[in-house]
Amino acid sequence: DAGITQSPRHKVTETGTPVTLRCHQTENHRYMYWYRQDPGHGLRLIHYSYGVKDTDKGEVSDGYSVSRSKTEDFLLTLESATSSQTSVYFCAISSTGGGETQYFGPGTRLLVL
Amino acid sequence: EDQVTQSPEALRLQEGESSSLNCSYTVSGLRGLFWYRQDPGKGPEFLFTLYSAGEEKEKERLKATLTKKESFLHITAPKPEDSATYLCAVQANPGNTPLVFGKGTRLSVIA
Repeated sequence: DAGITQSPRHKVTETGTPVTLRCHQTENHRYMYWYRQDPGHGLRLIHYSYGVKDTDKGEVSDGYSVSRSKTEDFLLTLESATSSQTSVYFCAISSTGGGETQYFGPGTRLLVL
Repeated sequence: EDQVTQSPEALRLQEGESSSLNCSYTVSGLRGLFWYRQDPGKGPEFLFTLYSAGEEKEKERLKATLTKKESFLHITAPKPEDSATYLCAVQANPGNTPLVFGKGTRLSVIA
């Protein structure tokens, strides 16, 4: 299994509070991704990173920000959580961005009340 | 716009009853097509990558094939442990474009 951990694995929070999810990898891969998975929508890309301090937006980036200060860590922040951000969040990594397989973490289940 | 459609949404098979899952895609230029397996409460687990039409890959009871418009995941003599959701994703050229995922096929294999 690819060395990817996510924390926390489960979180319940209230509307309007900031939330930070962490993805940690031990593979020294250059690319890291954040996805959300919702019933009826499949996996959708939120943000991704192609190196330390290099990030870009995905399909559903509104209300989210990211940071990558070290190769191994990629943080996803919900600036002010809303109920529509209740979802399962997955981190993925790949060694390159083009045609290279992405390996996924175990996920974080977030409930916003 | 790149699109991926998987069918059927759900499939119920008897143990040993072979079948195929379909992944139809529309992409400007295919960089790669990916198949994943996802068990409930877990992250997607990589199965195969296909790059060009005519390519085939096998792993145990699974075989993935690719044409210019679709990919099939053939399951031969499935077992209950093959029950999972199978996800298909495509990446378009040029490289570094995001993966586009289908909604998945939920497979149940009954003993």
